[in-house]
Amino acid sequence: ETGVTQTPRHLVMGMTNKKSLKCEQHLGHNAMYWYKQSAKKPLELMFVYNFKEQTENNSVPSRFSPECPNSSHLFLHLHTLQPEDSALYLCASSQDLRFLGSYEAFFGQGTRLTVV
Amino acid sequence: GQQVMQIPQYQHVQEGEDFTTYCNSSTTLSNIQWYKQRPGGHPVFLIQLVKSGEVKKQKRLTFQFGEAKKNSSLHITATQTTDVGTYFCAVIQGAQKLVFGQGTRLTINP
Repeated sequence: ETGVTQTPRHLVMGMTNKKSLKCEQHLGHNAMYWYKQSAKKPLELMFVYNFKEQTENNSVPSRFSPECPNSSHLFLHLHTLQPEDSALYLCASSQDLRFLGSYEAFFGQGTRLTVV
Repeated sequence: GQQVMQIPQYQHVQEGEDFTTYCNSSTTLSNIQWYKQRPGGHPVFLIQLVKSGEVKKQKRLTFQFGEAKKNSSLHITATQTTDVGTYFCAVIQGAQKLVFGQGTRLTINP
């Protein structure tokens, strides 16, 4: 148990479906991240939120829509995905990276997404 | 932004052999982190290096940060089957981005 919980663990969706991934952290961290992990790009940063504000969008297609209602929760809304979007989606949290010190990232177990 | 190149991409060893993975950057790094991801698991933080020339040890694992703070290495002495997994280095890019290297996947023949 890392203190970061992701649901669901597995998701199969059609290209016309709309689904959401959820991430919750119980560590009191201020920064939360979405990463995509696939064979082609092992750990690709998608979005960064710091104090609920999006501070990074790593050129992610608009079919991925993040939402951060508070510092403990992060969502990734999915719509009209493509088969190549099939991957492991990992959520992580850390302290504010701007303050040097222990800012190690804690990862959730991930959501294995398959787009059919 | 800062990019880190991690090599090798794959490494297969016999149990008991040593293993080393390297991360290299073209720019000076403020610090570097190392993570391990077991097969089917998620990345788990191992260590953070901050100082030039820093060397840290965790049992059979030795982490080094180069004098110029442009490279780092993770060395495992006498590998065991429990060391199987992918090892990633990670650096802060800009103010808020934690960016990972491509990872080195270690497999071990028992």
